[in-house]
Amino acid sequence: GESVGLHLPTLSVQEGDNSIINCAYSNSASDYFIWYKQESGKGPQFIIDIRSNMDKRQGQRVTVLLNKTVKHLSLQIAATQPGDSAVYFCAERSFNDYKLSFGAGTTVTVRA
Amino acid sequence: DTAVSQTPKYLVTQMGNDKSIKCEQNLGHDTMYWYKQDSKKFLKIMFSYNNKELIINETVPNRFSPKSPDKAHLNLHINSLELGDSAVYFCASSQPSRGKETQYFGPGTRLLVL
Repeated sequence: GESVGLHLPTLSVQEGDNSIINCAYSNSASDYFIWYKQESGKGPQFIIDIRSNMDKRQGQRVTVLLNKTVKHLSLQIAATQPGDSAVYFCAERSFNDYKLSFGAGTTVTVRA
Repeated sequence: DTAVSQTPKYLVTQMGNDKSIKCEQNLGHDTMYWYKQDSKKFLKIMFSYNNKELIINETVPNRFSPKSPDKAHLNLHINSLELGDSAVYFCASSQPSRGKETQYFGPGTRLLVL
């Protein structure tokens, strides 16, 4: 399953399929990007981050891709599991700024 | 071994009351934050303190006053609570001065103003 465009609030994925969550950002000065997962009733939890001098970074079952040319960030989740059901946020930070600016979030629902 | 903890987890109160939310982190971070998450899950920064000094103060009503007694604590006091203050408030911490920008969040305080 894949979310496209500036903002798609929900994404439904079949268990075992790969998920792609997309995020667009507008600040050319952003140099650090991060993905968070928020499960129901909990705080946002760090998944993976990437700096602007990279275009890809891999973690366990997750990959973040950064395209600075079009200001686009994506999170790929391999072999999506029921425990991946959550709201996913992208966030960006400008150089030398303490502040993270969060995207609107995408709710991922995994179908058994 | 909770890294960032908040109390209380739930807070139900009447309009006009004054309430406080407490936050503590045991990560040794210098920087702490308060965020507000509305019913549509949008997360917005409110305040940030670095080494007990206020460094971010977004457009927030002055009924909200943060206080940092030491690096490990950042409390949020809210005066004259209004219905629109109902939300989930998250505390977070990070260590950006050492290149560690990842913010670690607490479990949240669910505030309901009646």
